[in-house]
Amino acid sequence: GDQVEQSPSALSLHEGTGSALRCNFTTTMRAVQWFRKNSRGSLINLFYLASGTKENGRLKSAFDSKERYSTLHIRDAQLEDSGTYFCAAEAGDNNAPRFGAGTKLSVKP
Amino acid sequence: EAAVTQSPRSKVAVTGGKVTLSCHQTNNHDYMYWYRQDTGHGLRLIHYSYVADSTEKGDIPDGYKASRPSQENFSLILELASLSQTAVYFCASSDPNQAPLFGEGTRLSVL
Repeated sequence: GDQVEQSPSALSLHEGTGSALRCNFTTTMRAVQWFRKNSRGSLINLFYLASGTKENGRLKSAFDSKERYSTLHIRDAQLEDSGTYFCAAEAGDNNAPRFGAGTKLSVKP
Repeated sequence: EAAVTQSPRSKVAVTGGKVTLSCHQTNNHDYMYWYRQDTGHGLRLIHYSYVADSTEKGDIPDGYKASRPSQENFSLILELASLSQTAVYFCASSDPNQAPLFGEGTRLSVL
């Protein structure tokens, strides 16, 4: 079965508001990475965490290995934040990241 | 600058033909990976490699072979391309405790 369950699959926000994306893991992961897919289809690295939280501008990510989840918080959403966001997590047995199915974010005026 | 370069960036292949996707990294990373992404889905792991001359099956290896002739190069081979293998393919490289780096993707269309 899938090791990474990402939710929601789609999210609509008005400019200036915020929300959170979440990835739950069915096994213990040792690191998580969050990406946004840009308009050209490339994966843009947002965060890489082995524990705790990281913040960059209007984005903040948290990873709790013990509780088996990670979150990506977006505040003060802007139109250019629209896109598809993925989490990818590395299990302890090997380094191969496994991906969530993605969250399609639409930010509206 | 660290980089993962995929070639070609896009390809149209015929059903039953052979396709080779190439990946080259300049990061001195031990680990390399091949994924495919289908519309509406996340990336799924096809094959990966820990070291040159060795490859491992990922979660969806059927219909694909991989080759790691050197630390820098990792190829994905479709011996008999099928319609269901139309997708965007991503290569990545990493070392333990470091964020994996991804290539720009290869868009493959099998007709």
